[in-house]
Amino acid sequence: GIQVEQSPPDLILQEGANSTLRCNFSDSVNNLQWFHQNPWGQLINLFYIPSGTKQNGRLSATTVATERYSLLYISSSQTTDSGVYFCAVPNTGNQFYFGTGTSLTVIP
Amino acid sequence: DTEVTQTPKHLVMGMTNKKSLKCEQHMGHRAMYWYKQKAKKPPELMFVYSYEKLSINESVPSRFSPECPNSSLLNLHLHALQPEDSALYLCASGQAGGREQYFGPGTRLTVT
Repeated sequence: GIQVEQSPPDLILQEGANSTLRCNFSDSVNNLQWFHQNPWGQLINLFYIPSGTKQNGRLSATTVATERYSLLYISSSQTTDSGVYFCAVPNTGNQFYFGTGTSLTVIP
Repeated sequence: DTEVTQTPKHLVMGMTNKKSLKCEQHMGHRAMYWYKQKAKKPPELMFVYSYEKLSINESVPSRFSPECPNSSLLNLHLHALQPEDSALYLCASGQAGGREQYFGPGTRLTVT
């Protein structure tokens, strides 16, 4: 299967700081999703981004499929951004592979 | 409507019990998924249904039995579980062919 690695594994930020999370994958993909898992376990869709750059408020994401990585940018972080961030990629079928996750803590 | 619902939210069951988890979506998605997630780990794929047929079974023990009665519903029947099966069980749906997935809130299962 596809190997998906995320970095850093843990991140602690002061409120208002910016951060970049990285997702590396081992094979060509035609789809990539970023999720935020809140403390209650709900996985919230952030971006569906097979390639290029997308922005949604303080968050943006860039996928460079040819180089097999994606970046998630969080600007002006807030305490509500705390949680675990996952990227996920599918194979040619319906099988999704999740990354190892980045645990983010934003302190006031 | 981009909502996937799951019931129950929490479930405590003994090792001899039989219970079922339910998942529902009304987005017209033809792929539905069950994942298991242990604490501090990413979700692990268990089963995939595509057009109401089981297409992927990730070598899950037979004490977990999935069922897809129609295109909107997905069940996971549980029987004779072990304490190590305690986890968050997540349902997801999406367009077939590895398109964007949407997750339900999950069922927190504790096996005593």
